[in-house]
Amino acid sequence: DGGITQSPKYLFRKEGQNVTLSCEQNLNHDAMYWYRQDPGQGLRLIYYSQIVNDFQKGDIAEGYSVSREKKESFPLTVTSAQKNPTAFYLCASSPHGRVNTEAFFGQGTRLTVV
Amino acid sequence: GDSVTQMEGPVTLSEEAFLTINCTYTATGYPSLFWYVQYPGEGLQLLLKATKADDKGSNKGFEATYRKETTSFHLEKGSVQVSDSAVYFCALIFGGGSNYKLTFGKGTLLTVNP
Repeated sequence: DGGITQSPKYLFRKEGQNVTLSCEQNLNHDAMYWYRQDPGQGLRLIYYSQIVNDFQKGDIAEGYSVSREKKESFPLTVTSAQKNPTAFYLCASSPHGRVNTEAFFGQGTRLTVV
Repeated sequence: GDSVTQMEGPVTLSEEAFLTINCTYTATGYPSLFWYVQYPGEGLQLLLKATKADDKGSNKGFEATYRKETTSFHLEKGSVQVSDSAVYFCALIFGGGSNYKLTFGKGTLLTVNP
């Protein structure tokens, strides 16, 4: 079945460490997104990519980095520069440029800094 | 820029009550509009969508009509169930090229009591 897979589901990180969250899709979508979700704040866009080898900063990119070396993969690295990384992270994908088509979401990764 | 404003929660209803969650948007053109639902600990699932003015999206007893004149996309259900308890997000997609991206409201938590 086609879909988006995020791993791991739960992740624990010590302060000062970088950590990478995985997002893979087999929907042949060009566009991929990373969102951060905190209680009471909805979804905030971290980074998005509309094509391989290209990506743009979203609203809260500081302390995060991404790569898009393959169409199906869009990993997110939470660096030690991110002051408050504990949150629920959601990855999504959609066909690029098709405004009448919805985005599909993974099941999320809950990151906790210990 | 594009934005989505939805009513703040939480919303608490008794089973079989009528539900309305208000959503209005700001966009420079004609976006596609979506409602997503998120159950506890999970990613987002598409609930319904509308891609042009006066379209009505419907699914699982939920409905929303794309109103261009009031820039609104309110979610309604005639008789809610306990299983409808979740967070509901209004969203839009608009634009092309480098401006193509999803925009979400902050989400509305719905709790339905038996």
